[in-house]
Amino acid sequence: AQKITQTQPGMFVQEKEAVTLDCTYDTSDPSYGLFWYKQPSSGEMIFLIYQGSYDQQNATEGRYSLNFQKARKSANLVISASQLGDSAMYFCAMREGSTGNQFYFGTGTSLTVIP
Amino acid sequence: KAGVTQTPRYLIKTRGQQVTLSCSPISGHRSVSWYQQTPGQGLQFLFEYFSETQRNKGNFPGRFSGRQFSNSRSEMNVSTLELGDSALYLCASSTDPPQETQYFGPGTRLLVL
Repeated sequence: AQKITQTQPGMFVQEKEAVTLDCTYDTSDPSYGLFWYKQPSSGEMIFLIYQGSYDQQNATEGRYSLNFQKARKSANLVISASQLGDSAMYFCAMREGSTGNQFYFGTGTSLTVIP
Repeated sequence: KAGVTQTPRYLIKTRGQQVTLSCSPISGHRSVSWYQQTPGQGLQFLFEYFSETQRNKGNFPGRFSGRQFSNSRSEMNVSTLELGDSALYLCASSTDPPQETQYFGPGTRLLVL
């Protein structure tokens, strides 16, 4: 089974609108971390936001927030007030406590912001 | 702090050759991980080093190897290159537990002809 599933290969959003990128995960480990990364066309992976499995509140970092629904095993990324520079690939990733520092990545979602 | 650096940024090799890629982590980070990214397979974990020891290994053939030095710098080596090894190779260094966020370098684009 896939550890991380991103079901949206591509998404479009109007500039200044909010957009939600979906991510579901699969683990039986009670301790895990969830991450979102942005990859522009230049190739570098940029860390956006982190959510720990024991965190009670949803993580927020500026315009990024993570909608963490533990029972549903989902960790959706919400980008508010989209900007043209947000156009990129977005990857959801998970680290399980039992497997050390090995990250599992989803297949990514390509986001295009339309002016 | 300076970010993760990778050298070289671009590389062209021919089949059968070998290649060594280098990664310098963020100062203070002791864990370095390597990934291969291709359009068809996505991001695949190669291996992780922590304090000069391989701590995790992905499902890649033995042609792919790595090491870490005492200053946490890491190298990965690919021997007997195949056309399918053409990819973006990403290195990431991690903060300490519990979060262990991985911060990535710009990558090395390898083209095997």
